[in-house]
Amino acid sequence: EIVLTQSPGTLSLSPGEGATLTCRASQIVSSNYLAWYQQKPGQAPRLLIYGASSRATGIPGRFSGSGSGTDFTLTISRLEPEDFAVYYCQQYGKSPITFGQGTRLEIK
Amino acid sequence: QVQLVESGGGVVQPGGSLRLSCAASGFRFSDYGMHWVRQAPGKGLEWVAFIPYDGSNKYHTDSVKGRFTISRDNSKNTLYLQMNNLRPDDTAVYFCAKDGYYYGSGSYLDYWGQGTLVTVSS
Repeated sequence: EIVLTQSPGTLSLSPGEGATLTCRASQIVSSNYLAWYQQKPGQAPRLLIYGASSRATGIPGRFSGSGSGTDFTLTISRLEPEDFAVYYCQQYGKSPITFGQGTRLEIK
Repeated sequence: QVQLVESGGGVVQPGGSLRLSCAASGFRFSDYGMHWVRQAPGKGLEWVAFIPYDGSNKYHTDSVKGRFTISRDNSKNTLYLQMNNLRPDDTAVYFCAKDGYYYGSGSYLDYWGQGTLVTVSS
């Protein structure tokens, strides 16, 4: 199975700053079938990005995804207070579907 | 709007069984595959199972194969997860989620329910 490793484990930033989260795969993710999710405490995950760079419906433009092959990035420009949460990457290019272990984005 | 509502969670002893349900609305249920994903307390997300739009195949993660079975009833717009021989490490919130692709074979998960908690303990 494809193992996804997210870094950093925790990212401490202030509102207004930019955030860069990375997801590295143990094998090439075919067709860039990589998604990103946001999860807040006590809530279900919310889809942010699919296909490595396509924003899901209703997701603000400050969220963007990039990357290909084994290295992918989620960028959040100008952090808003509601962006502080845990972020997960997920690959669906090869069965079984796998998730990264998550990056916690916390307020500095 | 898309709604997914899970039910059936609870406390069960090791070796016991539970059946989770997920009632879907707001989209054509019979056109989309569906997933179960779980999250142990304080841990990350783990994909559990997937079933295509027509129920023609069933896919389960290795740790639940032979114990859990995903199924669906398109006439009732409902997804199920039958869980047998439960173990303490199955304790988690179980989410149902809609596959992102029309007639897809397992992709990203574009809508999620709020989850139902399963606790396996004696």
